[in-house]
Amino acid sequence: EAGVTQFPSHSVIEKGQTVTLRCDPISGHDNLYWYRRVMGKEIKFLLHFVKESKQDESGMPNNRFLAERTGGTYSTLKVQPAELEDSGVYFCASSQGQNLQQYFGPGTRLTVT
Amino acid sequence: GENVEQHPSTLSVQEGDSAVIKCTYSDSASNYFPWYKQELGKRPQLIIDIRSNVGEKKDQRIAVTLNKTAKHFSLHITETQPEDSAVYFCAGQGSSASKIIFGSGTRLSIRP
Repeated sequence: EAGVTQFPSHSVIEKGQTVTLRCDPISGHDNLYWYRRVMGKEIKFLLHFVKESKQDESGMPNNRFLAERTGGTYSTLKVQPAELEDSGVYFCASSQGQNLQQYFGPGTRLTVT
Repeated sequence: GENVEQHPSTLSVQEGDSAVIKCTYSDSASNYFPWYKQELGKRPQLIIDIRSNVGEKKDQRIAVTLNKTAKHFSLHITETQPEDSAVYFCAGQGSSASKIIFGSGTRLSIRP
């Protein structure tokens, strides 16, 4: 079974530019989550999709962040325009149905200069 | 709000000794407590978990304890080995399929 994949693995952009991160969950997993770890701190929740619907987006920092999951398969997270404080590692995770266990992707390391 | 505190932030132990990481949580609705291990440059991996109706769980050299009354839970690693070196995150989760609230992580180093 293929795990959660994320693209790109690294991204370096300048302040003010736009970046789009992609997550492909494990096939069949309805739940898809985005998290991020900033500056070696804790991993913080951003939002949760159930299929194509946003179940919980309470962790989204501001309206510069836009997440989509059209068709209920892969998801994208767009940051526009990027700010310095957006630098960090963005993780995606997925889980199946009411299963508690979440499987994490390898993360995308975003550096905003 | 929901919060998970984790201590210590760094821990160095001699190979073969035990390591203990402690966490507290604030949300009474939390009923599932996973522990993740993240090696350098790799994805967080679930290593053990415990549910609120259980006080202790063990898997080979790893054990987790939960004191629901005090809202404390701990990870114990015995007979530590070099491959145990990593960042460990405790976490709390409420209802099934809900978000995970992570602790700040503990960087564990095993001295040869």
